[in-house]
Parts: sequence; structure tokens; C-alpha cells
Amino acid sequence: GEDVEQSLFLSVREGDSSVINCTYTDSSSTYLYWYKQEPGAGLQLLTYIFSNMDMKQDQRLTVLLNKKDKHLSLRIADTQTGDSAIYFCAEIYSGTYKYIFGTGTRLKVLA
Amino acid sequence: DTEVTQTPKHLVMGMTNKKSLKCEQHMGHRAMYWYKQKAKKPPELMFVYSYEKLSINESVPSRFSPECPNSSLLNLHLHALQPEDSALYLCASSQVVAGVSNEQFFGPGTRLTVL
Repeated sequence: GEDVEQSLFLSVREGDSSVINCTYTDSSSTYLYWYKQEPGAGLQLLTYIFSNMDMKQDQRLTVLLNKKDKHLSLRIADTQTGDSAIYFCAEIYSGTYKYIFGTGTRLKVLA
Repeated sequence: DTEVTQTPKHLVMGMTNKKSLKCEQHMGHRAMYWYKQKAKKPPELMFVYSYEKLSINESVPSRFSPECPNSSLLNLHLHALQPEDSALYLCASSQVVAGVSNEQFFGPGTRLTVL
């Protein structure tokens, strides 16, 4: 099947905004999620968006969803060094338990 | 309590050993998951338990044997593993409620090395 695609790497300066992009596969996905994974750790849920929404804001995080293009993005405002991690998007098919994860984007924040 | 715990944190085993990974959650979640994650890759689903019954087995080799003794606990029994099974093993849990997000909460993982 198709992969959920993410760009491999993103580097930003501390204080700038970061935008991580994800192209997902299934227009019938009901929820889409963003997870953060620090080295050697598990996945931390950052936020999620329901498929009938275009945008969701949660403190420094803004999620944008373009269903027509099957495009999801995560904007992190005022990026800090502690935001350095791998970010995974994930979609879930309606009526299933199965996440389809994106390939992951490694975010590096330069001081 | 919004935590999923996993033990041990690290495990080194030989190919003839038998060991078990343990996972526990007290969020009242009725779905629990095992994932395998290789370096720089997304997690790969192995098993899903729903209401303590195995509902998904992603064609995992029989040297991995899951067990769900009750709604809070999930085990993964390991026997005769291969070096390529070395990975981070993640446990997750979620609600099982129609019409809500049912997001998965992950444990910190067990780093497994097979010699």
C-alpha cells in the first residue's frame, strides 16, 4: 500500500516556527494524530484532529488539515531546543484499531 | 493516572533464552497493543488485544507470544529470538469507544538486544 509520507529532516533556529508536513493515504481516515519521540523513548501524543476540522490550535501547536489534498501539517511556534525529536503523523481507518504511521521527520533545533 | 509502564527498560538475551516483556496501564483502556520499532523507522504493529481477546496479529512469527492476563496487563513472551529481532518494543493502550478519537498512549519501551 501507499506510505504516509513525511520529509525526513527539518532544521530550524531556536525561536523560529517549525512546520512539519505529512501526506496521508486514506481520505476516509477519521482522526489524524501527531506524536513526538525523543531518543530512546516512547511516543508522546501531542495532538490530534478530527477529519471534519480544518484547523486545531493547542498552545504552541497548530494543526492544519487539507482533506482534498490529503495533507496534514504541524506548526510549532517559538521552537525550543527541547522540541528536537522525531515527529510522526498517524492516521486511523474508520472502524479499526490500526494506526498507519508516517515515515517520521527529525526536527533539529539550533540554539 | 495517564501512564503506560513497561518492564524491563533494557533486555539482553541469547537466542536460546526465554524472556518476557511486561506492560501495565491503569487508565481503564480496553485495547492494548504491541509494536516493534527499528532505529529511525516508525513503529510496526504486532498485536492488538481488545477486551482481553487477541483481535489483530500482524503475521508475527510464533517466537513472539502475546498474553493479556487482565484488562490492565499485557505480556510479550519471547523464545528462540534472532538477532534481527533486536529493536525497541513499545506497548500502547487506548479506549474502545465509537465516535471518539481513541488515541493510543505509549509506554517508554523495552530496548531488546538479541545476541
